[in-house]
Amino acid sequence: NAGVTQTPKFQVLKTGQSMTLQCAQDMNHEYMSWYRQDPGMGLRLIHYSVGAGITDQGEVPNGYNVSRSTTEDFPLRLLSAAPSQTSVYFCASSRAGGYNQPQHFGDGTRLSIL
Amino acid sequence: AQKITQTQPGMFVQEKEAVTLDCTYDTSDPSYGLFWYKQPSSGEMIFLIYQGSYDQQNATEGRYSLNFQKARKSANLVISASQLGDSAMYFCAMREGLGSARQLTFGSGTQLTVLP
Repeated sequence: NAGVTQTPKFQVLKTGQSMTLQCAQDMNHEYMSWYRQDPGMGLRLIHYSVGAGITDQGEVPNGYNVSRSTTEDFPLRLLSAAPSQTSVYFCASSRAGGYNQPQHFGDGTRLSIL
Repeated sequence: AQKITQTQPGMFVQEKEAVTLDCTYDTSDPSYGLFWYKQPSSGEMIFLIYQGSYDQQNATEGRYSLNFQKARKSANLVISASQLGDSAMYFCAMREGLGSARQLTFGSGTQLTVLP
């Protein structure tokens, strides 16, 4: 059972570089989200999508772009990496239908910006 | 204001004992769900248990139960008969709004260490 798959697992970038974190889910979930996790803090929402072609900003969207062309995929783009974006990034998916749906998480991408 | 507050940065419990991890929340929406996730040292997020705001009974899943006190806005996780494998970070999270697309809001977590 694949669930939510994130690639890569680890990445080191230089300041100013761009890259795309990949996320794919095989559960036919409508909702997908990106979170970042920093030490001493819980996960914070970056962007989310409620379906193909529909995205919205979360709590900390600056410096990131997303798009959702298919139900399965929800890539996160760092436009010009900054040291403040060093973090662990989690992708999650869930069914639509309201507050009772748990989110299923990928294993995370550990990103370091030098 | 913090929507989810976990006041215990770290907790220790003896193996086979029960432990309670605290979580308080803040919302004005009558419809919401509360979730607990476990994050072991390997880093993945594992869904443990869910409690809905309209649920009359406290949720239970195996050794996990949720002590839901709606008037006090608390949703504490109780782990019975702790095992060494329970050592992990535990996050409380909330999702608000009936039929809404709102995503999870997380607390800052509690690091649980189970002692042999």
